[in-house]
Amino acid sequence: KAGVTQTPRYLIKTRGQQVTLSCSPISGHRSVSWYQQTPGQGLQFLFEYFSETQRNKGNFPGRFSGRQFSNSRSEMNVSTLELGDSALYLCASSLGLAGGYEQFFGPGTRLTVL
Amino acid sequence: TQLLEQSPQFLSIQEGENLTVYCNSSSVFSSLQWYRQEPGEGPVLLVTVVTGGEVKKLKRLTFQFGDARKDSSLHITAAQPGDTGLYLCAGARGNQFYFGTGTSLTVIP
Repeated sequence: KAGVTQTPRYLIKTRGQQVTLSCSPISGHRSVSWYQQTPGQGLQFLFEYFSETQRNKGNFPGRFSGRQFSNSRSEMNVSTLELGDSALYLCASSLGLAGGYEQFFGPGTRLTVL
Repeated sequence: TQLLEQSPQFLSIQEGENLTVYCNSSSVFSSLQWYRQEPGEGPVLLVTVVTGGEVKKLKRLTFQFGDARKDSSLHITAAQPGDTGLYLCAGARGNQFYFGTGTSLTVIP
């Protein structure tokens, strides 16, 4: 069974641009959660999608948004990029809502904002 | 402010030594998980503990959930270079996981 895949693996953008990251969950998993990982703040929860609906949201500004498609694939968008958005963005998939099921993480997308 | 604080933040030990990593909070969690993350990879789940006071052993790794379900510890016996990585605890509250600050472990051969 294939694991969670994320594309692209690496991305370099400049301030003010926008970026879209993609996550394909494990087959059969209906929940996708997104996290931001930085050396200073650690792993912080962005949002979770289940059955194409956002079910949970962390404490991030509205510049961070996401969506989930009918095949459970998810995309995350960050608009008007800031230097502080440089981070490893991880997605995790689970059979059901993350709090009750094991999460499987992808390798992440390393975003660098110049 | 992080909901879960881990200590120590960094740990460098010789192969064969024992170590303990702590994960502390003032909040109660319904379950607690431990992950290991290697460079360039996402975190991989090691264990989930659910009951206060629960102890789980996974080969040389021993995990304990505090009686009040607010804290946890990870003990590694006879550490090996393959144990090197970032160890993360994560507590579940409602439908969300809150991750700890992380402990970076280096085991020197």
